[in-house]
Amino acid sequence: DIQMTQSPSSLSASLGDRVTITCRASQSISSYLNWYQRKPGKAPNLLIYVASSLQSGVPSRFSGSGSGTDFTLTISSLQPEDIATYYCQQTYSTPPTFGGGTKVEIK
Amino acid sequence: QVQLQESGPGLVKPSETLSLTCTVSGGSISGYFWSWMRQPAGKGLEWIGRIYTNEITNYNYNPSLKSRVTMSVDTPKNQFSMKLSSVTAADTAIYYCARDRDGNNVMDVWGQGTTVTVSS
Repeated sequence: DIQMTQSPSSLSASLGDRVTITCRASQSISSYLNWYQRKPGKAPNLLIYVASSLQSGVPSRFSGSGSGTDFTLTISSLQPEDIATYYCQQTYSTPPTFGGGTKVEIK
Repeated sequence: QVQLQESGPGLVKPSETLSLTCTVSGGSISGYFWSWMRQPAGKGLEWIGRIYTNEITNYNYNPSLKSRVTMSVDTPKNQFSMKLSSVTAADTAIYYCARDRDGNNVMDVWGQGTTVTVSS
């Protein structure tokens, strides 16, 4: 299975800050990388698919980049409603695998 | 707007079979892949498998769980289900159902998750 490693595991930032989360794959996955947001007690939400495509309805402050083994999720200006845990997922090979998550909090 | 809701017992005894159902509302179950994931406390998300139904039914299971997992679909009820046999404490987790938007394991709709504890 392809291992996905996210960093940091948690971060604290101020409202309006630019936040960057990284995800590294144990082997090249081309652009088959997705990002999800999960808020406590709520269903996970697809944010970005195939590394950089914004899911319909997701605010434009979210963006994704990368290819091969290294990927990033960026929140351009952190908002209160962005408090959540973020997960990357590779879909290059079966089984699809997820990163361990990055918990984003307000400083 | 498609919504998913997991249901099933919250407590299962060791060695027994865990059974969960996901009810799809706001859309048809036919023509999509439907997946199950789980997340043990303090650990990452794990893909369990998926099922596709249209005129035929197709399955893909995680090799690590394949010997214990069975998935099925009830099209008239717009539901799909999962059974995990011979459970142990390691199967204690939050279980999620989700829709695979295009057959590429990109999950665009998720249920809220249901907590299952394996304990005697």
